[in-house]
Amino acid sequence: EADIYQTPRYLVIGTGKKITLECSQTMGHDKMYWYQQDPGMELHLIHYSYGVNSTEKGDLSSESTVSRIRTEHFPLTLESARPSHTSQYLCASSELTGVLNNEQFFGPGTRLTVL
Amino acid sequence: AQSVTQPDIHITVSEGASLELRCNYSYGATPYLFWYVQSPGQGLQLLLKYFSGDTLVQGIKGFEAEFKRSQSSFNLRKPSVHWSDAAEYFCAVAATSGTYKYIFGTGTRLKVLA
Repeated sequence: EADIYQTPRYLVIGTGKKITLECSQTMGHDKMYWYQQDPGMELHLIHYSYGVNSTEKGDLSSESTVSRIRTEHFPLTLESARPSHTSQYLCASSELTGVLNNEQFFGPGTRLTVL
Repeated sequence: AQSVTQPDIHITVSEGASLELRCNYSYGATPYLFWYVQSPGQGLQLLLKYFSGDTLVQGIKGFEAEFKRSQSSFNLRKPSVHWSDAAEYFCAVAATSGTYKYIFGTGTRLKVLA
C-alpha cells in the first residue's frame, strides 16, 4: 500500500545529541517536504525537495539539514539538539508537476523533545 | 504575500449539531485551497480541496466547503457532527505557480459534546 512513513514517532533526547528523523514514502512522489509544528500553531515549512539531489530551505529558518539521495527517502538531521528544537516534525510528499497533482500527503509525524 | 486566517482557535459543538469552521485567505489571484484534519498524535489527512470550477466542494466524512471569492473565504461545513470528528482542522492555501508551496492557518480545535 502506498504510504508515507516517519520514524521514530516519539523521541526524547538530551541537549547536544545528534539526531536524524527518518521519512520514507512509497507513493512514487518526487516532491517531499518537512514541516515544523508547535502546539496550537500552524505548520511551518522548513525544507523541501524537488527530487534526488535537490534540497531547498523553506519559509521558517531551521538549524536542521536534509538530504535526498533516494527518491523515497528524505531524512532530517539536527547536528546538536537544543531545547528550542522541541516540536512536532511532519513529513509530506506530492507529485512534482501540475496543479491538480499538488495534494500533499502527510506522514504521522515525529514528536521531538529535547531536554 | 499569501496568508491564511482561521479566526476560531477552539469550537465546541454537540453531537448531531451542524458545524462551520471559518477560513479567510489572502492571495493575489484565485488560490488553491485545502482543508486538512489532524487527529491527536497523527499526521494531516486531506478532507477536500478547491482548484477551480464549482465553488461548493464535497469532501470525505460528510464535509463540504464553499469558496467565496468576494469574501476571500473557504469555510468548512458539516450538517451533523459525530463524536469522531473531534480533531484539529487546518485550512491551507497554495500558490498557483512556482513552487506551489502551502501556507497553513493556525488551526481550529473542535470538541464534540456527547
